[in-house]
Amino acid sequence: QVQLQESGPGLVKPSETLSLTCTVSGNSVTSYYWNWIRQPPGKGLEWIGYVYHSGSTNYNPSLKSRVTISVDTSKNQFSLNLRSVTAADTAIYYCAKEKLRMTMVRGVLTPLHEAFDIWGQGTMVTVSS
Amino acid sequence: EIVLTQSPGTLSLSPGERATLSCRASQSVTSPYLAWYQQKPGQAPRLLIYGASSRATGIPDRFSGSGSGTDFTLTISRLEPEDFAVYYCQQYGGSPWTFGQGTKVDIK
Repeated sequence: QVQLQESGPGLVKPSETLSLTCTVSGNSVTSYYWNWIRQPPGKGLEWIGYVYHSGSTNYNPSLKSRVTISVDTSKNQFSLNLRSVTAADTAIYYCAKEKLRMTMVRGVLTPLHEAFDIWGQGTMVTVSS
Repeated sequence: EIVLTQSPGTLSLSPGERATLSCRASQSVTSPYLAWYQQKPGQAPRLLIYGASSRATGIPDRFSGSGSGTDFTLTISRLEPEDFAVYYCQQYGGSPWTFGQGTKVDIK
């Protein structure tokens, strides 16, 4: 059974970089799409972006200029960096795995996107001086 | 960006009653790549339904999803005490993936 665990500082100063890591256990990061999602206190969910084990990424345009998501296959981890943070970035940050779905495209097995079937427990990050 | 609007904002029902939650998209959701999640206080969301109507592993059959295009529904046939929570819809047919604002199902 795949399990995810977020780690990183719980407090970040304004204008600095928020850095979080998600450690994957029970399976390899060399499968699936790996995502970051956040939830401000008392509010709804916002998708931040994903990374595939090949290193390909896709980000929410609302955050694209400040976000980098990367994968480290040697450590079985993936990471989130969010630059130039403000109080508006205060939130619970979740890492999540997409459910696996593959299809044949011109004879090549290709991953398709699916819903988030495994989530980490979440980590609260507060932006404050 | 596809905007998802959930209604109602809050649904007050009693255990044993049927719950019907709506999720409307601002444009047609491809193929239908729509999911429903349940979130309880202090917990991460849990996947209930994917592909608009397929139940995730371990989800009881009292949960069902339907719909296509721009209109989707989550139905809980008979509410159990553990079903009182917030429910979110999410589309993954067009980037960026987006969530609805949530429907809270609380005890009447």
